[in-house]
Amino acid sequence: AQSVTQPDIHITVSEGASLELRCNYSYGATPYLFWYVQSPGQGLQLLLKYFSGDTLVQGIKGFEAEFKRSQSSFNLRKPSVHWSDAAEYFCAVVVQGAQKLVFGQGTRLTINP
Amino acid sequence: DSGVTQTPKHLITATGQRVTLRCSPRSGDLSVYWYQQSLDQGLQFLIQYYNGEERAKGNILERFSAQQFPDLHSELNLSSLELGDSALYFCASSAGFPGQSGANVLTFGAGSRLTVL
Repeated sequence: AQSVTQPDIHITVSEGASLELRCNYSYGATPYLFWYVQSPGQGLQLLLKYFSGDTLVQGIKGFEAEFKRSQSSFNLRKPSVHWSDAAEYFCAVVVQGAQKLVFGQGTRLTINP
Repeated sequence: DSGVTQTPKHLITATGQRVTLRCSPRSGDLSVYWYQQSLDQGLQFLIQYYNGEERAKGNILERFSAQQFPDLHSELNLSSLELGDSALYFCASSAGFPGQSGANVLTFGAGSRLTVL
């Protein structure tokens, strides 16, 4: 079955430390890939997306993600986190030609001062 | 402000009741999506409309229905409410024809939080 997996339910990092959030998908073909962020009480905001081309994608707020076809992964990274990055992060995929985003279960990020 | 407007922000009602959630998409977007977010199920796709027509259906219960009107706003109707329907309901919109890559770039509203007592 098609699925999106975010293995880490909750991650805690110190402010200024680097961050990597994992995302794996199981689809037959390369899907379109997305990362969204949800701050408390807010809707989801698109951080970045991958459709094709360069496998390293730059997004907003200093985030980047790398698509690795061989690992069916699309991990989100940030070199130095800020306290304002505390939020829930969702990886999402859609099969090309399909019409719905499928979301992972989310990773809650806590930032220690 | 994402440009997608959802009302009401909060709604408390009793089991067995019926509610309507409203969504105005971002200006120029023809597609509207509804998602349900709950602690146990995560973000679940419910239904999608494009320019007034239903385009895709997900895990939407028979007690739920939706439509998109000629002015492109959409309503999600939830009836015979149960405790388990308590959730955050998101509307999202996108430009582009369904199936095109751009159609999958969704802009989300802030959500409507439904509490069923």
